[in-house]
Amino acid sequence: RKEVEQDPGPFNVPEGATVAFNCTYSNSASQSFFWYRQDCRKEPKLLMSVYSSGNEDGRFTAQLNRASQYISLLIRDSKLSDSATYLCVVNPPGGNQFYFGTGTSLTVIP
Amino acid sequence: ETGVTQSPTHLIKTRGQQVTLRCSSQSGHNTVSWYQQALGQGPQFIFQYYREEENGRGNFPPRFSGLQFPNYSSELNVNALELDDSALYLCASSSRGGRVVEQYFGPGTRLTVT
Repeated sequence: RKEVEQDPGPFNVPEGATVAFNCTYSNSASQSFFWYRQDCRKEPKLLMSVYSSGNEDGRFTAQLNRASQYISLLIRDSKLSDSATYLCVVNPPGGNQFYFGTGTSLTVIP
Repeated sequence: ETGVTQSPTHLIKTRGQQVTLRCSSQSGHNTVSWYQQALGQGPQFIFQYYREEENGRGNFPPRFSGLQFPNYSSELNVNALELDDSALYLCASSSRGGRVVEQYFGPGTRLTVT
């Protein structure tokens, strides 16, 4: 079983829409979770760390559900500039390895 | 920008050759992790260096090796290149000590093996 699984999409949404991505992880003891954004042929950029209580940064909201072992990312009022691949990342306890999902592709359409 | 730099940006090598990729970490960061990202995939962890020692390794063969220097910069060496080694190689810089360790990526080196 993979450490991290994501729906690859693609998600094609109109400007202004709300879109949500989920990501499941296999190690129930994992402590650290992140969402990264990756533009085509560029490096991943940290979008948000995901805290147990959930966290919000402008139009972006990240949630952690430990019982079901998934993290989510909600993007409100989508902009054209949100078009990218979104990678979820899990860091199991005591490990130095970050496990990346395969990424979810988002295209925001005018 | 993250302040993490990598060189070279692009490289073309022939099967069987050896390659060295370089990474300079962000100021104040003491840990460097290397990842391989094949087209259409998420980054795969190769290994991590902390205090000039390998500190965790993913599922990569021994022909992938590395170094970390006293200034925390790092090298990734790959021997006996294979066609499947063609990928984007990313280094990520971080700092130990916090409860949540965030990693910041350099722009990557795109390696093509022919």
